[in-house]
Amino acid sequence: DTAVSQTPKYLVTQMGNDKSIKCEQNLGHDTMYWYKQDSKKFLKIMFSYNNKELIINETVPNRFSPKSPDKAHLNLHINSLELGDSAVYFCASTGRVGDSPLHFGNGTRLTVT
Amino acid sequence: AQSVTQLDSHVSVSEGTPVLLRCNYSSSYSPSLFWYVQHPNKGLQLLLKYTSAATLVKGINGFEAEFKKSETSFHLTKPSAHMSDAAEYFCVVSEPGAGKSTFGDGTTLTVKP
Repeated sequence: DTAVSQTPKYLVTQMGNDKSIKCEQNLGHDTMYWYKQDSKKFLKIMFSYNNKELIINETVPNRFSPKSPDKAHLNLHINSLELGDSAVYFCASTGRVGDSPLHFGNGTRLTVT
Repeated sequence: AQSVTQLDSHVSVSEGTPVLLRCNYSSSYSPSLFWYVQHPNKGLQLLLKYTSAATLVKGINGFEAEFKKSETSFHLTKPSAHMSDAAEYFCVVSEPGAGKSTFGDGTTLTVKP
């Protein structure tokens, strides 16, 4: 059973389009995250939700809108895609923020042309 | 505030020789520290974690790390590298109550036959 699953694995789209990435975890965790990994492999946190409530928003453009319908799901919708949005996006979850490890999905590689 | 510095962006070793990946951290509190590994086109996987118990932490695949408070270091080691160890490695610090983890910039490990 996959603990944290993201779909799609690959996403190729043109500038200006709107796209969504979905994430689900079956670990019973309360906290979920979106991370962005750029071409240099640097990982940056974008959002964090705890039990469906937004708790971290790291100066991400308004074109990015996370939504958490329940604590097992955290989706990411991106409007008006730009070339600079090309990256790998990772969903993660954790049981207790701080001393519990993060569990990552396998990532969604977004390519904007 | 918490921060983490991975001292080497690239490390290259020969198969069968020891591995040392260096990590220094900064934290105002007693942090939790983690090492994650990312194989190509995969998500991040937890190697090991330190959460204020034993200072020498054993992880998966023969890796271990030693927490040294006086040196604010958490270096990752393995006695004998295997070809399958070639990957990206991330050192992560997390303070209680911080709400998020801080990732190092990563170290690319290359293993030569």
